[in-house]
Amino acid sequence: QKEVEQDPGPLSVPEGAIVSLNCTYSNSAFQYFMWYRQYSRKGPELLMYTYSSGNKEDGRFTAQVDKSSKYISLFIRDSQPSDSATYLCAMIVSGSARQLTFGSGTQLTVLP
Amino acid sequence: SAVISQKPSRDICQRGTSLTIQCQVDSQVTMMFWYRQQPGQSLTLIATANQGSEATYESGFVIDKFPISRPNLTFSTLTVSNMSPEDSSIYLCSVDSGKETQYFGPGTRLLVL
Repeated sequence: QKEVEQDPGPLSVPEGAIVSLNCTYSNSAFQYFMWYRQYSRKGPELLMYTYSSGNKEDGRFTAQVDKSSKYISLFIRDSQPSDSATYLCAMIVSGSARQLTFGSGTQLTVLP
Repeated sequence: SAVISQKPSRDICQRGTSLTIQCQVDSQVTMMFWYRQQPGQSLTLIATANQGSEATYESGFVIDKFPISRPNLTFSTLTVSNMSPEDSSIYLCSVDSGKETQYFGPGTRLLVL
């Protein structure tokens, strides 16, 4: 079993839809959670970073962490064609030399 | 956030040759990381590079195949040695942000024929 599971998609939605991207994890020592966006032929771009359980909002993006269920989500409101990318969840065990553990990535296409 | 550049951005190489990839960051950072991302796959950590010490390699990666240099706090190189078509991949460097997360460079796309 992988430490981090992420549905690879592909996910295709119409413009304006609410998108929900999810990851589950098995290691309860993960304490820091990130979402990266990766456009085709580009490096991953840090989108959201959270530490504790609960929600964190940044514009159209909301990151949600539920440590009791070992489940994290990224919600995108009013999705735009420019949101079309691969979204990677990533996690760190504090004090682990800052080594990220990545999900496999979800490929999202927002249709105009 | 740090601004990270990589050279070359892409290359096509012959089997048996070596390629050195450079990673430059616009500020001093303690930890730099090298990843490989094969087509359609997620990122796999190759090694962690700290200035002034030997790189730490992950399981499945060895120094003879992927030698790394870290001469100062803003620069690192990764060499892919004795390449085979299986080494065709995107190679990414990243830096520790100081806040339990990382920023990534744009990547180097390598094709080995």
